[in-house]
Amino acid sequence: SSELTQDPAVSVALGQTVRITCQGDSLRSYYASWYQQKPGQAPVLVIYGKNSRPSGIPDRFSGSSSGNTASLTITGAQAEDEADYYCNSRDSSGNPVVFGGGTKLTVL
Amino acid sequence: QVQLQESGPGLVKPSQTLSLTCTVSGGSISSGSYYWSWIRQPAGKGLEWIGRIYTSGSTNYNPSLKSRVTISGDTSKNQFSLKLSSVTAADTAVYYCARDPVAGTGFDYWGQGTLVTVSS
Repeated sequence: SSELTQDPAVSVALGQTVRITCQGDSLRSYYASWYQQKPGQAPVLVIYGKNSRPSGIPDRFSGSSSGNTASLTITGAQAEDEADYYCNSRDSSGNPVVFGGGTKLTVL
Repeated sequence: QVQLQESGPGLVKPSQTLSLTCTVSGGSISSGSYYWSWIRQPAGKGLEWIGRIYTSGSTNYNPSLKSRVTISGDTSKNQFSLKLSSVTAADTAVYYCARDPVAGTGFDYWGQGTLVTVSS
């Protein structure tokens, strides 16, 4: 079972803002990283650290964190943002790396 | 540009050992700046971290799989490998290899993934 908890599904109207959250004790000590995964493709890193984007990731993607909750925000969601999103972090408990269960984002 | 490519049998019989290799190009697994991980994803399900190897050869494993997993590296070929023993149908999944900076900035490069089916 995931030690990071995500809502299974979220929807957003085209052009609106959506927040996807990730909760877990490890997030009190480590930043979350966020990945976008489209059907049949490998995950792609979209946010890491406090709020950093790899080269090529649009600036409508941003990240934040408070306490045991990390958030991925998409400001002005586009049709191409429809995908599964996963969070992950390091962990100082028995499992060094943990993933959330994933959130399926639907853009209406 | 760093590239990772998984290879290995797509079909493994129950109780046998699953063996996969990840070939890295554009970067060295000997670099002290990265961990090299295996991650899997059953069809329609989420990502599960399996384990990782560091340049020194040190390894860490997911406790839920630790008794069955071995990850090793071959610096001469710039490859690292996964062995998962005593497989069952529950081990059927797409297996990915990925690079994980020691700095903790997320899995920045992934292989395309390879489907391994456990079936007789």
